Amino acid sequence: EAQVTQNPRYLITVTGKKLTVTCSQNMNHEYMSWYRQDPGLGLRQIYYSMNVEVTDKGDVPEGYKVSRKEKRNFPLILESPSPNQTSLYFCASSSGSATYNEQFFGPGTRLTVL
Amino acid sequence: AQSVAQPEDQVNVAEGNPLTVKCTYSVSGNPYLFWYVQYPNRGLQFLLKYITGDNLVKGSYGFEAEFNKSQTSFHLKKPSALVSDSALYFCAQDNAGNMLTFGGGTRLMVKP
Repeated sequence: EAQVTQNPRYLITVTGKKLTVTCSQNMNHEYMSWYRQDPGLGLRQIYYSMNVEVTDKGDVPEGYKVSRKEKRNFPLILESPSPNQTSLYFCASSSGSATYNEQFFGPGTRLTVL
Repeated sequence: AQSVAQPEDQVNVAEGNPLTVKCTYSVSGNPYLFWYVQYPNRGLQFLLKYITGDNLVKGSYGFEAEFNKSQTSFHLKKPSALVSDSALYFCAQDNAGNMLTFGGGTRLMVKP
């Protein structure tokens, strides 16, 4: 089944404790992206990647890191999480450019930073 | 910076009635516009997109959207709403290539 998977689905952590949220897709998509969803703000793009070893900042990259060492994986890293990073996070992928092609979204990761 | 506005936080409609979910976008030459739907505890799912061509775009589950350049709008419509259409709907615009800007979302409630 074609899908985007994220782990963990739920995470409660404390301020300053490094964490990684994994994202993997099995559709051989070039484009991958991370979003955060907050009430009333819709989805805001954190980082995206056009292909292996190519990453770019989105609208809200502060406090986050990403890497794209393999085509299928695009982990999101919070080196020192803070309470304002409490949010619902989605990973997405698409074939080729996200300008023209639909994105496939993962099920989401709900992160709480205490 | 480009922006997408969804002026209604919630839209209520009776089952069987037509529905409209509104979206306006910021002006940017030839915009690329999308609608996505989010069901409870799920990721977003693609509904339809406008790239170029016919102003009326048909998508999944009987939804359609009308692109109106003069009003910079891209409203989502369906002739006859179903209870199962109740969900959170997001409009999105391409942001200078490979970045999408999403609206704040509109919750659609379809009552039996």
